[in-house]
Amino acid sequence: AQSVSQHNHHVILSEAASLELGCNYSYGGTVNLFWYVQYPGQHLQLLLKYFSGDPLVKGIKGFEAEFIKSKFSFNLRKPSVQWSDTAEYFCAVRVGSGTYKYIFGTGTRLKVLA
Amino acid sequence: NAGVTQTPKFRVLKTGQSMTLLCAQDMNHEYMYWYRQDPGMGLRLIHYSVGEGTTAKGEVPDGYNVSRLKKQNFLLGLESAAPSQTSVYFCASSSPGGLNYGYTFGSGTRLTVV
Repeated sequence: AQSVSQHNHHVILSEAASLELGCNYSYGGTVNLFWYVQYPGQHLQLLLKYFSGDPLVKGIKGFEAEFIKSKFSFNLRKPSVQWSDTAEYFCAVRVGSGTYKYIFGTGTRLKVLA
Repeated sequence: NAGVTQTPKFRVLKTGQSMTLLCAQDMNHEYMYWYRQDPGMGLRLIHYSVGEGTTAKGEVPDGYNVSRLKKQNFLLGLESAAPSQTSVYFCASSSPGGLNYGYTFGSGTRLTVV
């Protein structure tokens, strides 16, 4: 069965530190990849997405992610985090162009210390 | 410009009671989804619908029923609530082409079953 793995469940960083959150998926065909962010008490918001083309995608708030097909990975990065980045981050994958559903990872809780 | 609206936002049920969660979208989206979010487990798909009058089971459908009588509404029912159904429930929607670009999520319903 297809799955999405986020190996970092909890991450604590100080402001200005660099961030990299891992996301791996298990599917060998065409994928669409997404990162969502959920701020405390709020709903999920789209941070960035990969559909096709340049494997390095840039999203909102200075986040970026790189699709590495050979590693089945779509890691999220930010060079310098802020306290306001404290949130939970979810990786999601749409497996195949004919499917209607996304598969979500279990999430990574990021806490940024001021 | 409401997007996806979920009602109610909070609810406490006693074991065995029934209730219906309403999801309404005003974007003319074909596809609608119900997810539950539990700590450490990410988002798991309960049921989804690819059009008016159609529904399908997701990953964790047991104990839930759904209906999509109107294109804009997707109802999630709990016939006999159990404590294991304590969770945060999110509705999402998408158009067929929009699946490449991400779901639109509602703000969630926090349900507690005592």
